[in-house]
Amino acid sequence: EAGVTQFPSHSVIEKGQTVTLRCDPISGHDNLYWYRRVMGKEIKFLLHFVKESKQDESGMPNNRFLAERTGGTYSTLKVQPAELEDSGVYFCASSQQGYGYTFGSGTRLTVV
Amino acid sequence: AQSVAQPEDQVNVAEGNPLTVKCTYSVSGNPYLFWYVQYPNRGLQFLLKYITGDNLVKGSYGFEAEFNKSQTSFHLKKPSALVSDSALYFCAARGGAAGNKLTFGGGTRVLVKP
Repeated sequence: EAGVTQFPSHSVIEKGQTVTLRCDPISGHDNLYWYRRVMGKEIKFLLHFVKESKQDESGMPNNRFLAERTGGTYSTLKVQPAELEDSGVYFCASSQQGYGYTFGSGTRLTVV
Repeated sequence: AQSVAQPEDQVNVAEGNPLTVKCTYSVSGNPYLFWYVQYPNRGLQFLLKYITGDNLVKGSYGFEAEFNKSQTSFHLKKPSALVSDSALYFCAARGGAAGNKLTFGGGTRVLVKP
């Protein structure tokens, strides 16, 4: 089966611009998670979708971040406007049973 | 609050020697514990998990980990390290009030020298 796909793999944008990250989970996985690792620190939870609904968005840092999951399939994470501290690696993961997570390769975001 | 600690930022080991990467956790209730590895320019790859049962868990690439409830630890081990094991290793926990989301440690970089 295809794994979790994220794109772009890298994005360099200027402060104040908008960036949209996309995640395609494993087909049939109801659970989709976003995480990010900023500046070599620990990987932190951002939010969790169950199908198209946001189950937990307690990790979203502020209202500049907007996540959607269209029809319970792929998900997008938009950062608008981007700030320097948003630089990092954004990971997406999906699961079906809830305790087995498959991660994507991540999107490395650099805000300059 | 839930937390996972990896006390070593980097572990250096000679090829063929035993490798240990330490992890301790603070999770209420019965935790689910995971180890992931990230190779350069790659995503997080699953190594092994502890859910319940035998405290010694065997995973991919010859790695194993031992769940120790009294010490709240879940150290990753490999009897004989390879140069190709050089990577970034993350310990993660799920459970308690955190629900389905994973709490990660800060990561440990492993460097295996030939």
